[in-house]
Amino acid sequence: NAGVTQTPKFQVLKTGQSMTLQCAQDMNHEYMSWYRQDPGMGLRLIHYSVGAGITDQGEVPNGYNVSRSTTEDFPLRLLSAAPSQTSVYFCASRDRGRSEGYTFGSGTRLTVV
Amino acid sequence: AQTVTQSQPEMSVQEAETVTLSCTYDTSESNYYLFWYKQPPSRQMILVIRQEAYKQQNATENRFSVNFQKAAKSFSLKISDSQLGDTAMYFCAFMRLNQGAQKLVFGQGTRLTINP
Repeated sequence: NAGVTQTPKFQVLKTGQSMTLQCAQDMNHEYMSWYRQDPGMGLRLIHYSVGAGITDQGEVPNGYNVSRSTTEDFPLRLLSAAPSQTSVYFCASRDRGRSEGYTFGSGTRLTVV
Repeated sequence: AQTVTQSQPEMSVQEAETVTLSCTYDTSESNYYLFWYKQPPSRQMILVIRQEAYKQQNATENRFSVNFQKAAKSFSLKISDSQLGDTAMYFCAFMRLNQGAQKLVFGQGTRLTINP
């Protein structure tokens, strides 16, 4: 059971480039979320989804897009990378009907130069 | 909007000591969960313990226990007999239940160092 898989683990981008961070879960979880982690600020919610075809914005959505065409996959797209998007990104998923918290992927460290 | 505050950016204790990490939160909700997550240097987010707000009994998981004070909106984590492997960032998190998305709101984190 792989859990939540994020790729890549590390990435360096130039300002203005675009890229997609991949996230896949094999637990049939309805809820999926993307967070970014910055020093001294904890984790902040970027976008989330409550099921295939349904997404919504979180606390810091600007500069990012998401889609959820299947239950398993929830990619995060950076449209035009900026140095302010240098961060560690986490994908997480949760089963709507259970009391456990979210299960997290191992994160992607992104540097925009 | 809910907020979570961890007022101790860093803490350091000797191995085998007991340490308590503080967390306060602000909400008008009555139905919610609270969590403590551990993030070791590997960067992986690991769930340590959870507390359902409707339960008066404090949650425990082996050496980890919480002191949940609902009226005071306080949720501290106690680590007993601390071990070197407990060295990590610890995040307190809040999750509303009466909401479709059940999103997590995190505190700023406490960096805990266990010294040999």
